[in-house]
Amino acid sequence: AAGVIQSPRHLIKEKRETATLKCYPIPRHDTVYWYQQGPGQDPQFLISFYEKMQSDKGSIPDRFSAQQFSDYHSELNMSSLELGDSALYFCASSVGFGSLNSPLHFGNGTRLTVT
Amino acid sequence: AQSVAQPEDQVNVAEGNPLTVKCTYSVSGNPYLFWYVQYPNRGLQFLLKYITGDNLVKGSYGFEAEFNKSQTSFHLKKPSALVSDSALYFCAVGRMDSSYKLIFGSGTRLLVRP
Repeated sequence: AAGVIQSPRHLIKEKRETATLKCYPIPRHDTVYWYQQGPGQDPQFLISFYEKMQSDKGSIPDRFSAQQFSDYHSELNMSSLELGDSALYFCASSVGFGSLNSPLHFGNGTRLTVT
Repeated sequence: AQSVAQPEDQVNVAEGNPLTVKCTYSVSGNPYLFWYVQYPNRGLQFLLKYITGDNLVKGSYGFEAEFNKSQTSFHLKKPSALVSDSALYFCAVGRMDSSYKLIFGSGTRLLVRP
């Protein structure tokens, strides 16, 4: 069965550089969520999109932006990277917003290392 | 404000023994509770959820969890642990009006020894 695809799997950037993380949800999933998991930390919700519109916002820094495209894939853009941005970034997808009856499926994450 | 507590950083059990991973929550209104498992360098895998209905929820891989409203707990259990169950387990809470804007606990590492 198709799963949530994230690319790249690993990314190494230097401070003050920019990074773009991509997420391809499961086919027919219209809602995408981004989570950040720092080393040894629990996942923190960043932002979500439903039908290409931002649906909710969490602890996402102003240096980050994201969008969902017409094919429902999403990109997380990160600028002026800081050492503290080093983390595992998960994308997850589900069907419909506001319904917890549809399971949430996570990708395997993108590990971002900022040096 | 919503919060989730997993009081144990690590749980050690012998293979074949029952296991319990503890979770308590704090949320206004009706809680929606989840358990996820994470293997090294992998995404979170859904195990089970409580939305409404029976307090005992059965999930994937033989896991179950019991919702206890009076104790605000949602402990994860399995009657007989397997070595392959060794992983990091996260409890999470959500609200229907916030979809999957989940609040995760700090995680509990389960180590099942042969």
